[in-house]
Amino acid sequence: AQRVTQPEKLLSVFKGAPVELKCNYSYSGSPELFWYVQYSRQRLQLLLRHISRESIKGFTADLNKGETSFHLKKPFAQEEDSAMYYCALSGRGEKLTFGTGTRLTIIP
Amino acid sequence: DTGVSQNPRHKITKRGQNVTFRCDPISEHNRLYWYRQTLGQGPEFLTYFQNEAQLEKSRLLSDRFSAERPKGSFSTLEIQRTEQGDSAMYLCASSPMGQGVFGANVLTFGAGSRLTVL
Repeated sequence: AQRVTQPEKLLSVFKGAPVELKCNYSYSGSPELFWYVQYSRQRLQLLLRHISRESIKGFTADLNKGETSFHLKKPFAQEEDSAMYYCALSGRGEKLTFGTGTRLTIIP
Repeated sequence: DTGVSQNPRHKITKRGQNVTFRCDPISEHNRLYWYRQTLGQGPEFLTYFQNEAQLEKSRLLSDRFSAERPKGSFSTLEIQRTEQGDSAMYLCASSPMGQGVFGANVLTFGAGSRLTVL
C-alpha cells in the first residue's frame, strides 16, 4: 500500500523567512514524488516532481529514500506563496496518491 | 483548448437521486482520471482511463458509481441513489502517455464539480 503523510495541516511563516513543508511516504518500491499546489480560487496544479530536480518559484524538494521523505523548501518566503500544498506519490500502479495537504500562510 | 473542463460546476440534489458529471480533457491527452476530495482531505483516487479503457478502479468506487469514456475523449461519472456521504468535490484530470521508468504522469486538473446531497 502506498501512503503519503503531511504532518502539518497549517503552517504560518513570516515573509522573508525560510519555509519547509514536510512530507513522508510509505511505498515498498521506488516511487516518484510530486508537490502540487492550489492557490486561492485556482485549480490544483503541479509545482515540481523529484525526477526533474529543478527549482520552481524558488522551491526545491529532495527525495531522501533513507528517511522516506520529500520535504519542500524555500529559503525566503514570499506573500504569493500562500496556498494549499499537497505532496503526492506515484508507484507502479501509476495513480497519484495525495497527502492531506498543508495550508501555508505567509505573514507580511 | 483551454484545459480540462468539468460540468456542472455545482450540483445540489436530494438523497436518492442520480447525478452525472462530465469531464472534457485536454484533447491530446489519452489518460483521464477521476478523484474525489472532501473537506480537509487530499484528492482520493477513484478511477482512470487510458483512451476508452478503464484500467483501474478504487475500492472507494462502490457499485453506485460508474464511469465511462466511450470514445476515448470526454468522460462521465454517474452516481446512482446518492447519499449524503457522496457530498464532495469531484475532480477530473488528464495527462499524456506516461514517461519514464514508472510511467508516472503529470496531471492537469479541472476546476472540479461540487456535489451537495441534501
